Amino acid sequence: AQRVTQPEKLLSVFKGAPVELKCNYSYSGSPELFWYVQYSRQRLQLLLRHISRESIKGFTADLNKGETSFHLKKPFAQEEDSAMYYCALSRMDSSYKLIFGSGTRLLVRP
Amino acid sequence: KAGVTQTPRYLIKTRGQQVTLSCSPISGHRSVSWYQQTPGQGLQFLFEYFSETQRNKGNFPGRFSGRQFSNSRSEMNVSTLELGDSALYLCASSSTGGSGELFFGEGSRLTVL
Repeated sequence: AQRVTQPEKLLSVFKGAPVELKCNYSYSGSPELFWYVQYSRQRLQLLLRHISRESIKGFTADLNKGETSFHLKKPFAQEEDSAMYYCALSRMDSSYKLIFGSGTRLLVRP
Repeated sequence: KAGVTQTPRYLIKTRGQQVTLSCSPISGHRSVSWYQQTPGQGLQFLFEYFSETQRNKGNFPGRFSGRQFSNSRSEMNVSTLELGDSALYLCASSSTGGSGELFFGEGSRLTVL
């Protein structure tokens, strides 16, 4: 069965510190991985997806198939990065659903 | 472009009642998905519709059902409500579903007493 694990419920860092939000998945096929973010009083929205291989708001994430991980990283955290982050997996055979992790709340302190 | 609109935003029901939630997708989007969000189980997939056809369904009892209309608007229904159905129900639309980006609504918060 497919599963997404985000081991940290809360990650607290100081402004300017590096951030790494962990995400591990279990799926035997070819997955597509996403990071969604929910800022305070806003809707859940896509932050980035692994196939795009792009950096959004300074965040990057690399799919490591060997370690079945898709960790989200940012070298210098900003206060506006404080939000709830969800890692999600979709099967490449287009199963038309996302499997979400339980989420990590990132708190960036001034 | 208007975002995904869900109605009602909040509602309170009692056990045994039924509820219907509505979702209007972004104009031009033909795929609508529904997710249940609870503190204990997180975000769980309910079902996905594309052009009025259900393409996938999550592991929820038959009391949870949905449909999509020709204008892509979607409704989900929960019958014989149980206390455990209290949750935030999120609707998301996309142009294709599958691995496409999902655009979420603000959700309908259901409380079952």
